[in-house]
Amino acid sequence: QSALTQPPSASGSPGQSVTISCTGTSSDVGAYNYVSWYQQHPGKAPQFILFEVNKRPSGVPDRFSGSKSGSTASLTVSGLRAEDEADYYCSSYAGSNNFVFGTGTKVTVL
Amino acid sequence: QVHLEQSEAEVKKPGASVKVSCKASGYTFTSFYMHWVRLAPGQGLEWMGVIDPSGDTTTYAQKFQGRVTMTRDTSTRTVYMELNSLRSDDTAVYFCARALYGAPGIWGQGTQVTVSS
Repeated sequence: QSALTQPPSASGSPGQSVTISCTGTSSDVGAYNYVSWYQQHPGKAPQFILFEVNKRPSGVPDRFSGSKSGSTASLTVSGLRAEDEADYYCSSYAGSNNFVFGTGTKVTVL
Repeated sequence: QVHLEQSEAEVKKPGASVKVSCKASGYTFTSFYMHWVRLAPGQGLEWMGVIDPSGDTTTYAQKFQGRVTMTRDTSTRTVYMELNSLRSDDTAVYFCARALYGAPGIWGQGTQVTVSS
């Protein structure tokens, strides 16, 4: 099972928006609306920020939003803040109780 | 509240095995699947597999089949992940993560496993 493809890096100034893509196949992202997103700061455990493409767990600000078209999902972080600087990973259900993660994107707040 | 407490860091030699534990509290242990995910240096998150604590059924990522075993002990509310035939590229932080809306949602603090001769 190959990792989902994300751009290695993305950046934006405070207050701006940044969008990260996550490209899979017709067997994972394209087949299911079970795409999740995670934020990970260095040395910390990942934080769950979106599930089922565009739903936010309790406590996650609405600055984080998601979408999907075909086999590509996207995460948008609006109103960038310094604390949004982190690594971001997508994940998708891939059938038969299998999951796959993306390659990860480092977001820099300029 | 939900809390996952993982075991301490381990240093192993190539070819050895490691068993990482994840003790759960704050919820009904058998009601939620538990995933295992690792993060190797310079790499991304990698899904290793999942266990259903209610029935002890498991699904492993193809990459780890034959080398990983996930088990649970309902009496102590603990899930275990054992990885055999360790290689240097198994050096990573290993996380357990309780399912939330199906996906790995609530994470333990991570366990550093270092494989070195």
